Amino acid sequence: QKEVEQDPGPLSVPEGAIVSLNCTYSNSAFQYFMWYRQYSRKGPELLMYTYSSGNKEDGRFTAQVDKSSKYISLFIRDSQPSDSATYLCAMSPSGGYQKVTFGTGTKLQVIP
Amino acid sequence: AAGVIQSPRHLIKEKRETATLKCYPIPRHDTVYWYQQGPGQDPQFLISFYEKMQSDKGSIPDRFSAQQFSDYHSELNMSSLELGDSALYFCASSKRAGGGRYEQYFGPGTRLTVT
Repeated sequence: QKEVEQDPGPLSVPEGAIVSLNCTYSNSAFQYFMWYRQYSRKGPELLMYTYSSGNKEDGRFTAQVDKSSKYISLFIRDSQPSDSATYLCAMSPSGGYQKVTFGTGTKLQVIP
Repeated sequence: AAGVIQSPRHLIKEKRETATLKCYPIPRHDTVYWYQQGPGQDPQFLISFYEKMQSDKGSIPDRFSAQQFSDYHSELNMSSLELGDSALYFCASSKRAGGGRYEQYFGPGTRLTVT
């Protein structure tokens, strides 16, 4: 079983919809939680970064971490066709310089 | 803002050949990470360096080696290439800032094709 589980999708939504992306994990040592967006054949782009439990909002994006349930979410409001990409959750133990463990990624398509 | 630079962007090699991938981190970043992403897969951590010393090691084959130089750029050397080594290779960099912050920024990747 992988340390980080993520529904691979694909997820198809109409423009303007609210998108919910989720990951679960098993390693209780994870303290840093990230969401990356990856367009086809491109490098992952850091979208959101959260330390420990709580919520963080940045524009149309909201990241939530529930360490008690080992569950993290990314919400995208007013989704746009340009949001169509693969979204990877990622996490790392405390220490700041340790390796990142990725989920398998959810492919999102926003239909105009 | 300056980003992580990787070269070459595309590389085609034959089986049993050797390849060298280069990574130039974001200025003032002191930590470099290498990841391998196979088709349809998530990035898998290979190895990382902090201040020119290896700091963490993942699923890196013995045929691969890497180092970080005094200017903080890093090179991933891959020998005796196999067809299964065909993948996207990403380099990421970060800075050990105070306060527990941690953010890895990824480069555009090098697409290695082994024929």
